[in-house]
Amino acid sequence: DQQVKQNSPSLSVQEGRISILNCDYTNSMFDYFLWYKKYPAEGPTFLISISSIKDKNEDGRFTVFLNKSAKHLSLHIVPSQPGDSAVYFCAASARGSGGYQKVTFGTGTKLQVIP
Amino acid sequence: DAGVIQSPRHEVTEMGQEVTLRCKPISGHDYLFWYRQTMMRGLELLIYFNNNVPIDDSGMPEDRFSAKMPNASFSTLKIQPSEPRDSAVYFCASSPLYGAGFSGNTIYFGEGSWLTVV
Repeated sequence: DQQVKQNSPSLSVQEGRISILNCDYTNSMFDYFLWYKKYPAEGPTFLISISSIKDKNEDGRFTVFLNKSAKHLSLHIVPSQPGDSAVYFCAASARGSGGYQKVTFGTGTKLQVIP
Repeated sequence: DAGVIQSPRHEVTEMGQEVTLRCKPISGHDYLFWYRQTMMRGLELLIYFNNNVPIDDSGMPEDRFSAKMPNASFSTLKIQPSEPRDSAVYFCASSPLYGAGFSGNTIYFGEGSWLTVV
């Protein structure tokens, strides 16, 4: 049962334009949402997060939007740069048993920014 | 400061053989995670440890998989016997924080171990 879903396995965008990566989730108990970025032959690295009590968080060219009623979040990259080409994982965190958080990742979206 | 170190980076083995993946977490991190990446399921959490104690192993797919953390600086993930469907990238990660106050931005991943079972 995939609680975090990224339905687009890949996305191509021209340099300078906006990249929009989407993510849907099913568990209403998630309290943090995250995006991780992964380059080939490297491990994922944290990019940006948003608390479930907010609807927008911005960090430079990266903005994450959260729509709780639709159980949907998106990552906007403006303007897109060739160095942004990577796999982006959406993830969500919820309190598990014993007080520990559990982070669930999606399947990833491969972004290609074309110069 | 060294990051999470995994070995081997690449492993090709025959079906039925034992595979051992190794991980050295970042010093001072109390939490260690093993993830598996596949195209179909993305990044799956297999197991995680807190202070060397396994906390949640519900993601371990079968009894063929086992993980240990004998001390704060070393962990292993073992597959015995290995099968072709185990072919994936296995990531180890560590974090100094995973309880109250955790917001997901403190998980540090290693570069992964690419496993191919033929």
